[in-house]
Amino acid sequence: GESVGLHLPTLSVQEGDNSIINCAYSNSASDYFIWYKQESGKGPQFIIDIRSNMDKRQGQRVTVLLNKTVKHLSLQIAATQPGDSAVYFCAENGNTGKLIFGQGTTLQVKP
Amino acid sequence: EAQVTQNPRYLITVTGKKLTVTCSQNMNHEYMSWYRQDPGLGLRQIYYSMNVEVTDKGDVPEGYKVSRKEKRNFPLILESPSPNQTSLYFCASSLSGGAIIYNEQFFGPGTRLTVL
Repeated sequence: GESVGLHLPTLSVQEGDNSIINCAYSNSASDYFIWYKQESGKGPQFIIDIRSNMDKRQGQRVTVLLNKTVKHLSLQIAATQPGDSAVYFCAENGNTGKLIFGQGTTLQVKP
Repeated sequence: EAQVTQNPRYLITVTGKKLTVTCSQNMNHEYMSWYRQDPGLGLRQIYYSMNVEVTDKGDVPEGYKVSRKEKRNFPLILESPSPNQTSLYFCASSLSGGAIIYNEQFFGPGTRLTVL
């Protein structure tokens, strides 16, 4: 069945360090992947996306890597800041209109 | 301001009393969706709509109804709420209404529902 999971429920990093949040997916037919950030009391907010015909995409301070061979997705945040503290979700779309979310990783940034 | 709005933001009700949570977007988006978020389970899709008059079940549709009579609105209806529907609900919309969605979804602020 379809499932999207994150490897760690909580990640704690020092301010200024780089953060890497991982996600494994099981549906090899998924062709679109998205990372969302959810701050306390708010709805998820789009960070970055990637299509299955790419293996890397960069945004402002964020990079998403896609490894289709092992069905793995990662989000890299450069120079992590206190404002990056949130829950991060990966999500996949398998060309059906259904978006499937992982359970989320809480990123804690230590000053 | 482009946004997705939900009402009410907080609701406490009793078992069996029908309720509707409204969702509206002002971005002319074709695709709209409802999710529920529960601790340890992440976001799970309830229903989604590719366009007006087109709705489909997500992963957890039992106990819910939706309608899409006009493009901007996508209400979530609980005909007979039960305590296991206590949750945080999010509405979302995105531009694409095609079979392949390559557009980000914009989320509303959430509705916290408690069913006693």
